[in-house]
Amino acid sequence: GQQLNQSPQSMFIQEGEDVSMNCTSSSIFNTWLWYKQEPGEGPVLLIALYKAGELTSNGRLTAQFGITRKDSFLNISASIPSDVGIYFCAGVYSGGGADGLTFGKGTHLIIQP
Amino acid sequence: DAGITQSPRHKVTETGTPVTLRCHQTENHRYMYWYRQDPGHGLRLIHYSYGVKDTDKGEVSDGYSVSRSKTEDFLLTLESATSSQTSVYFCATLRDSTYEQYFGPGTRLTVT
Repeated sequence: GQQLNQSPQSMFIQEGEDVSMNCTSSSIFNTWLWYKQEPGEGPVLLIALYKAGELTSNGRLTAQFGITRKDSFLNISASIPSDVGIYFCAGVYSGGGADGLTFGKGTHLIIQP
Repeated sequence: DAGITQSPRHKVTETGTPVTLRCHQTENHRYMYWYRQDPGHGLRLIHYSYGVKDTDKGEVSDGYSVSRSKTEDFLLTLESATSSQTSVYFCATLRDSTYEQYFGPGTRLTVT
């Protein structure tokens, strides 16, 4: 099946720093989704991207749909303690719907005081 | 908030016993999914449904069955629980028009 490589696996940063993470695939996707999961909760959708090259922001979060359609990036500016959690990317290929979502394994963001 | 609830939220059961997890949604979404989440494996699809009484297998379906008798409810059954099924289980629904998937709060299942 589809494979998504998400990196880095974990990040240890200081409060106030900017964060960058990415997902890459050997296959083309036509939608990219970014989620955040906090301990004991389900993943929550942060940003959805639908067009190659698209850049979308949600507060301090900015995500981009790569031009090749095989990658996507998430940036968090000026990190704060509540940004801690696991960030997942998901790609949707042409079928969509049914089993059309492929998830990365997550980037674990840890903010050091 | 996609209006998804899961019950129970936590369960401890013994090996060999049957277990049913329930997912309820209020958004009238056609597609519903069951995932399990384990360290090092991320989210893995167990089964999904594309309508009432229409279901199909996902990546890790062995040992699990599902049923969907109403649009709003999707049940996951472990016929005879094993320790390898200790996990956190998430239900999700799909907004057809945007491919956005929304997740429930999860059920933590421990099989002893």
